[in-house]
Amino acid sequence: DAKTTQPNSMESNEEEPVHLPCNHSTISGTDYIHWYRQLPSQGPEYVIHGLTSNVNNRMASLAIAEDRKSSTLILHRATLRDAAVYYCILTPRGSGGSNYKLTFGKGTLLTVNP
Amino acid sequence: DAGITQSPRHKVTETGTPVTLRCHQTENHRYMYWYRQDPGHGLRLIHYSYGVKDTDKGEVSDGYSVSRSKTEDFLLTLESATSSQTSVYFCAIMLAGGSEQFFGPGTRLTVL
Repeated sequence: DAKTTQPNSMESNEEEPVHLPCNHSTISGTDYIHWYRQLPSQGPEYVIHGLTSNVNNRMASLAIAEDRKSSTLILHRATLRDAAVYYCILTPRGSGGSNYKLTFGKGTLLTVNP
Repeated sequence: DAGITQSPRHKVTETGTPVTLRCHQTENHRYMYWYRQDPGHGLRLIHYSYGVKDTDKGEVSDGYSVSRSKTEDFLLTLESATSSQTSVYFCAIMLAGGSEQFFGPGTRLTVL
C-alpha cells in the first residue's frame, strides 16, 4: 500500500489559514487522496477527497500537486473547533468497499491558538 | 448522522471472558467496518463486512471474530479477552457513493 508522510504536529492561530501538507511519493495513478480528522474523544470524520484536480467543499480545500506526489489540506479560517488530528489517506479506486479500507497513520495534530 | 450507534459505550471486563460489541445502523448501508485505536496511534482495521454473512479480515484480526446476520447489525466478538485488547473500538459504515466512511461514537473497552 502506498504510504503517506505528515508532520507530527502544527500550530495555527484562530481565524488564520492553515495548510496541512502530506507527501505520498509512491502514489499510484488510481489512488484517491482522502483526508479525515478526529476531534478529541470522537471518531474520525471525513473532510475531503480528490484524485487529480483541486477540490473545495464547505469544510476545506484540497490542493493536489501536478505530479500527485504531495497534497495540501487548506482550512481557510481556522477555528478552535478545528483543533484535531488530521489524517491523509490513500485509497485505491475500485468497485466496492473491499477496496475502501482506510489505513490510518499517526496524522498531524493541529493546535489552534485563540 | 447516518444513524450509527455502538453498544456498550464503555465496558470493563476481566481477562479470559468473552465480550461482544455491537454496531447498529438504520440506513441499510452495505459496507461496515470495525477499527481499534490505541493511544498515540491511528485507527487499525480489524474486520469488515460487505454484506449479510460476508466478512473479511483486516490488518489486526487475530483474537477477534465478527458476524453479520442482518444488514443493520455488525457484531465484534472477543472470544477470550486479553489485556492487549484494551482499546477504543470504532465502527464505521461506507456511505452511498463509496467515497466516505462515517464513524460511530466508539466503545471504550478495558480488559483487566
